[in-house]
Amino acid sequence: QSVLTQPPSVSAAPGQKVTISCSGSSSNIGNNYVSWFQQLPGTAPKLLIYENNKRPSGIPDRFSGSKSGTSATLGITGLQTGDEADYYCGTWDSSLSAEVFGGGTKLTVL
Amino acid sequence: QITLKESGPTLVKPTQTLTLTCSFSGFSLSTSGVGVGWIRQPPGKALEWLALIYWDDDKRYSPSLKSRLTITKDTSKNQVVLTMANMDPVDTATYYCAHRVSTAVTFDYWGQGTLVTVSS
Repeated sequence: QSVLTQPPSVSAAPGQKVTISCSGSSSNIGNNYVSWFQQLPGTAPKLLIYENNKRPSGIPDRFSGSKSGTSATLGITGLQTGDEADYYCGTWDSSLSAEVFGGGTKLTVL
Repeated sequence: QITLKESGPTLVKPTQTLTLTCSFSGFSLSTSGVGVGWIRQPPGKALEWLALIYWDDDKRYSPSLKSRLTITKDTSKNQVVLTMANMDPVDTATYYCAHRVSTAVTFDYWGQGTLVTVSS
């Protein structure tokens, strides 16, 4: 069981918007930066969002991140079939002294 | 640009010790703030963080696996080595190494991963 809680799956139509939630506690999300990773089928995870809402160079602004209290959210607008992937949130847990990840959310673009 | 690549055995027997090497380029582990971590992913399951080593040799381990893990670095060879003792079939997974910068507190570059199967 993961320290961070994500919905197992979300779906939406091409062109629409979807959000993926990540719930934690004060020892992790509440007091540390959150990252989001995209894992396309058969590939390594790729950083999408860091420091809650910053995008690395090359990541389109269709991807956004936010954090409030002990929860974080990844938003994806203008959905494309190429966005079908597993998405993971991650952060440092100060109580565990460990990096923790969510259980992952599978995005289906219908 | 930053690249990382994992190498090691694809098959290990139960109770054996796994040794994985992360070879990287595009950065130096002697640069302040830089680190390399290991993360694994069992087939069809979520990511699990294993260990992290920083430029100053500060080492962090997953609490649940700490007794079995050792992480070291060879700055001159641009390599980080992870050993995991007493392997079990439940340790079957793809093992990734990744670059980390302490200021951004994230894994920004990942290797392609290497699948390790534990079976007799």
